[in-house]
Amino acid sequence: DSGVTQTPKHLITATGQRVTLRCSPRSGDLSVYWYQQSLDQGLQFLIHYYNGEERAKGNILERFSAQQFPDLHSELNLSSLELGDSALYFCASRKGGGAAEAFFGQGTRLTVV
Amino acid sequence: AQTVTQSQPEMSVQEAETVTLSCTYDTSESDYYLFWYKQPPSRQMILVIRQEAYKQQNATENRFSVNFQKAAKSFSLKISDSQLGDAAMYFCALPEDFGNEKLTFGTGTRLTIIP
Repeated sequence: DSGVTQTPKHLITATGQRVTLRCSPRSGDLSVYWYQQSLDQGLQFLIHYYNGEERAKGNILERFSAQQFPDLHSELNLSSLELGDSALYFCASRKGGGAAEAFFGQGTRLTVV
Repeated sequence: AQTVTQSQPEMSVQEAETVTLSCTYDTSESDYYLFWYKQPPSRQMILVIRQEAYKQQNATENRFSVNFQKAAKSFSLKISDSQLGDAAMYFCALPEDFGNEKLTFGTGTRLTIIP
């Protein structure tokens, strides 16, 4: 158990819908990262939050947004879903930078039908 | 932009044998870290080993060790005495952007252990 909790584990939804993925980081970890893992794109960085503030954006679509709340949990909102958004979405948390390990949650498997 | 390349999509090894997974990378940084992550069928990403670029000594964690060649920008993972539980996808990863340090991952190598 990494200590990072993601819910739900699986999600099936229709095209055009909106979903929210939730991540609770390890206790004390201020950094939360979101990654998307798909068969054709591999593991791609989406966004990084540190103590409630957005630090960096990667290949995140405008239809996607995220936030980190005062209790440090984070949510990734995906809207106007398309078939190509089907993927595994990971959340990771870190206590610091440098050699600090990123602990990953078990991911949310999103299937858009 | 930093890049991480894993040129072996699939590898297989007999149980109890040794296997080496390759990774090359490109970065303009002089001081950085490198990681190997394992993703078993449970899909959990698990840190296997990390290497600090300023350290000349190769990192070792039990049966896992790395061959880090900074000049060649090569970071291979050696698994000794392979076990069935080692079957997984293995990803090489490089943090970038000081203060952000998102991970750039390679495309992964699927390792199969043959009983």
